[in-house]
Amino acid sequence: NAGVTQTPKFQVLKTGQSMTLQCAQDMNHEYMSWYRQDPGMGLRLIHYSVGAGITDQGEVPNGYNVSRSTTEDFPLRLLSAAPSQTSVYFCASSARLSNQPQHFGDGTRLSIL
Amino acid sequence: GNSVTQMEGPVTLSEEAFLTINCTYTATGYPSLFWYVQYPGEGLQLLLKATKADDKGSNKGFEATYRKETTSFHLEKGSVQVSDSAVYFCALSEGSGGSYIPTFGRGTSLIVHP
Repeated sequence: NAGVTQTPKFQVLKTGQSMTLQCAQDMNHEYMSWYRQDPGMGLRLIHYSVGAGITDQGEVPNGYNVSRSTTEDFPLRLLSAAPSQTSVYFCASSARLSNQPQHFGDGTRLSIL
Repeated sequence: GNSVTQMEGPVTLSEEAFLTINCTYTATGYPSLFWYVQYPGEGLQLLLKATKADDKGSNKGFEATYRKETTSFHLEKGSVQVSDSAVYFCALSEGSGGSYIPTFGRGTSLIVHP
């Protein structure tokens, strides 16, 4: 049972480059989300999705796009990377019930030069 | 809106010491409460949860009791080990009629020395 799989684990980009962070889950979870984790800032919600074809913005959505074409996949796109986007990114999924926990991937460590 | 407040870290203890990490919350409805643990280089993983008032969640020697009267969910362990060194996150998710999007605290780093 793979759970939540994120790729790549590490990435270095130059300012202005674009890339997609991949996230896949095999638990048939309706709810998926992306967070960034920065020192002293805890987890900040970027975008989330409550099901295929439905996405919404979180606390810090600027500079990021998402789509949800299938239940399993929820990619995060950086269209034009900026140094302020240097962070660790986590994808999470859960059943769409408030008493169910979030399942997290192992993270993508992204550096923007 | 909802919020979760955790004590700031780092919390530094010697092995076999007693641990308490405080967590208080504000919520508009009837939330479920969670503690997650993050080991270095890994994602968060569920440590324990409680879904209604007076419930006690427990796992791996850690415990937390859902206290509605004090809006608290403090994490405790009687005897910590070096392997417990990690970052601990308190979180809530609203109960029926509210949002299921979780709210996380900022995390508390625990360092346990031999």
